[in-house]
Amino acid sequence: EIQMTQSPSSLSASVGDRVTITCRASQSVSIYLHWYQHKPGEAPNLLIYAASNLESGVPSRFSGSGSGTDFTLTISSLQPEDFATYYCQQSYTTPRTFGQGTKVEIK
Amino acid sequence: QVQLVQSGAEVKKPGASVKISCKASGYTFTAYYMHWVRQAPGQGLEWMGRINPNSGGTNYAQKFQDWVTMTSDTSISTAYLELRRLRSDDAAVYYCARGENALDLWGQGTMVTVSS
Repeated sequence: EIQMTQSPSSLSASVGDRVTITCRASQSVSIYLHWYQHKPGEAPNLLIYAASNLESGVPSRFSGSGSGTDFTLTISSLQPEDFATYYCQQSYTTPRTFGQGTKVEIK
Repeated sequence: QVQLVQSGAEVKKPGASVKISCKASGYTFTAYYMHWVRQAPGQGLEWMGRINPNSGGTNYAQKFQDWVTMTSDTSISTAYLELRRLRSDDAAVYYCARGENALDLWGQGTMVTVSS
């Protein structure tokens, strides 16, 4: 089973800040890495697929990069609606595995 | 409208079984795997397994292998998740989600409460 480790587990930031979240896989997942945003009481929402592709309808302030074992999700200018928990997930093999999540809170 | 609509909240006693449904609409049901993901209170997302609605083939995470069954009924574009021998730590919100690789469409979630 591939282990996914996100850092940090939580962060506090202000509106307008640039935020970076990292995800590391225990073995290479090529570019089979995806990012989701999850707000309480809602279903998770796909932001980035295949490491760097912006899902349709997702604001361009979100971007992803990386390949192999190390990946990054960047929010270029944090907006009030971006306060949520973010998860990475690999689809290189089964079982699909998620990172433990990064909670982005208001400073 | 492309959507997944799940069945309503359930309250079950320890040791009981529960079967959750996920009805797909607006797309070809057999063209995508259906995955099941759960979130226990205060915890992260946990992948449980997936079903290929076209073939009925399944892949389960090892911890769910012996007490979870995923099925589908292509005639009504509906996937099912059955959980047996429920324990208190199975209390969670259960989501269905469509996808080959990334999960691009999610159901609204079904809360399962396990209490005596």
